[in-house]
Amino acid sequence: DTGVSQDPRHKITKRGQNVTFRCDPISEHNRLYWYRQTLGQGPEFLTYFQNEAQLEKSRLLSDRFSAERPKGSFSTLEIQRTEQGDSAMYLCASSPHFRDSSYNEQFFGPGTRLTVL
Amino acid sequence: GNSVTQMEGPVTLSEEAFLTINCTYTATGYPSLFWYVQYPGEGLQLLLKATKADDKGSNKGFEATYRKETTSFHLEKGSVQVSDSAVYFCALSLQGAQKLVFGQGTRLTINP
Repeated sequence: DTGVSQDPRHKITKRGQNVTFRCDPISEHNRLYWYRQTLGQGPEFLTYFQNEAQLEKSRLLSDRFSAERPKGSFSTLEIQRTEQGDSAMYLCASSPHFRDSSYNEQFFGPGTRLTVL
Repeated sequence: GNSVTQMEGPVTLSEEAFLTINCTYTATGYPSLFWYVQYPGEGLQLLLKATKADDKGSNKGFEATYRKETTSFHLEKGSVQVSDSAVYFCALSLQGAQKLVFGQGTRLTINP
């Protein structure tokens, strides 16, 4: 078990460019989450998938953001026409899903740090 | 809405000191409560959790008790070590909702 991995770890881009991040969850986990963390703040929920279905999206996820998990394994988060306010750490997490549990532990990746110049 | 408020940091203590990091929450319904820790250069890790009132979560010498009457989940450790230096996040999750709602984090530094 190699844990949740994210790529790239760091991304610097110019305002107006598009960026895409990748998350590989723990292999047997069918739930995958995206969070955003700005400096000095806690992570904020963006969206989550169960298998390939996107089940919830936050109001933070503007039209410029899109997330996919086409085969129920890895996921991508794309930001179009980046703005300086998009600069943050983007965190991915995964969890198993057991029907008899009201909560399943989320395992976090190391994050992708985005800087928009 | 649902929210978590943590004591402001940073917190600096000497080794073997007693630690308390305060956490209070506002929630509709009955949340599960968590403490996550982020060591330098690493991802968030679950430290402990409690899923109902009066439950006590514990791990690595840390403890927190779910207090419904005061809507609190304060983190405590009797004797901290330099290796406990990290950022600590309190979080909640509502039953049936998988997303976590985090506090702003508290940076803890332990000096030898």
